[in-house]
Amino acid sequence: KAGVTQTPRYLIKTRGQQVTLSCSPISGHRSVSWYQQTPGQGLQFLFEYFSETQRNKGNFPGRFSGRQFSNSRSEMNVSTLELGDSALYLCASSSGTGSKKTQYFGPGTRLLVL
Amino acid sequence: GESVGLHLPTLSVQEGDNSIINCAYSNSASDYFIWYKQESGKGPQFIIDIRSNMDKRQGQRVTVLLNKTVKHLSLQIAATQPGDSAVYFCAETVLLTGGGNKLTFGTGTQLKVEL
Repeated sequence: KAGVTQTPRYLIKTRGQQVTLSCSPISGHRSVSWYQQTPGQGLQFLFEYFSETQRNKGNFPGRFSGRQFSNSRSEMNVSTLELGDSALYLCASSSGTGSKKTQYFGPGTRLLVL
Repeated sequence: GESVGLHLPTLSVQEGDNSIINCAYSNSASDYFIWYKQESGKGPQFIIDIRSNMDKRQGQRVTVLLNKTVKHLSLQIAATQPGDSAVYFCAETVLLTGGGNKLTFGTGTQLKVEL
């Protein structure tokens, strides 16, 4: 099975712009979670989507949003970018059901905000 | 709270020695724990997991120990190899009433294998 894929791998934006990141989960996985990774804050949970619905949300401002499509692919959008949004954005997929929900990560999208 | 913390930011070991990476967690409701390995420029890679009803689980060269009494998790790597050099994260999972779950990660430990 192919792993989780994320596009683009690298992105440079300026403050005030918006950005959309894409994630394709492992085939058959219905849950997609997004995380932000920075040196200072580590890995922080953004939100989880399951069957096109946001099922769980972390403590990020409303500028961070996402959606999931019927094929389980997910996008994450960040509007009005700030310098502090520079980070590695990771997507993880899981089956989303059952008590054991191991999440498998993609390679990430590295976003630099100038 | 839901904090997960690692005891040591950096661990240096000689090639061939065993490595032990520790992790403390604070949420007693956590029912599932995972260790991830992250190499430079890559996403976290699943290593091994353990449910809260277990206290030990073994994989290939790796063993995870769970002590719920003191809320402590450890990852043991046998015969550490240069390819084991990476940052290791522990993560805890809490099942939510809506059916979802959230991973809360520790800060990570950098494992350096010296030749």
